[in-house]
Amino acid sequence: ETGVTQTPRHLVMGMTNKKSLKCEQHLGHNAMYWYKQSAKKPLELMFVYNFKEQTENNSVPSRFSPECPNSSHLFLHLHTLQPEDSALYLCASSPDGTGPYGYTFGSGTRLTVV
Amino acid sequence: ELKVEQNPLFLSMQEGKNYTIYCNYSTTSDRLYWYRQDPGKSLESLFVLLSNGAVKQEGRLMASLDTKARLSTLHITAAVHDLSATYFCAAPFRRGSRLTFGEGTQLTVNP
Repeated sequence: ETGVTQTPRHLVMGMTNKKSLKCEQHLGHNAMYWYKQSAKKPLELMFVYNFKEQTENNSVPSRFSPECPNSSHLFLHLHTLQPEDSALYLCASSPDGTGPYGYTFGSGTRLTVV
Repeated sequence: ELKVEQNPLFLSMQEGKNYTIYCNYSTTSDRLYWYRQDPGKSLESLFVLLSNGAVKQEGRLMASLDTKARLSTLHITAAVHDLSATYFCAAPFRRGSRLTFGEGTQLTVNP
């Protein structure tokens, strides 16, 4: 158990579906992140939240919509995705970006868009 | 903007051999992180290097940091198959900022 829990672990969705990915941490961290990892590609930062406020949106298409209701929970709402959006989506958290501890990653959600 | 470059990106080595993975970063940073990722799995923290000259060791892996050269190394000693994974280094652009990750080094250790 890494301390950061992501659900579901696997998701298959059609291009017209709407689904949500969930990330939860009980580490007392105040910063949370969404990353996309496609096959054979580097990690892509998508969104950053600090103390529930979005501080970075890395030019992510609007079909991805993040939500951070509190410092412990982070969602990624998905709608009208494309097949190229199939990837491993990783959530991470950190104390608040000022500490020396780096990130704690969740196990990821393997998303397949059909 | 901070750039983090790893080399090699792909490394195939035999069991029992030694090798070093290099991580260069483009701006001043006083800390450096190493992560391991097994296929289809998440990233696991390996080392946190917090100062110039820092050295950390865990089993057959040893990481070091030279902030003046903007270089970190991950040295593998007498590799075993279980070390096969992708290794990432990451650095913050400045204290308190988010991490920038390298592309990762995919290591395969062959019998």
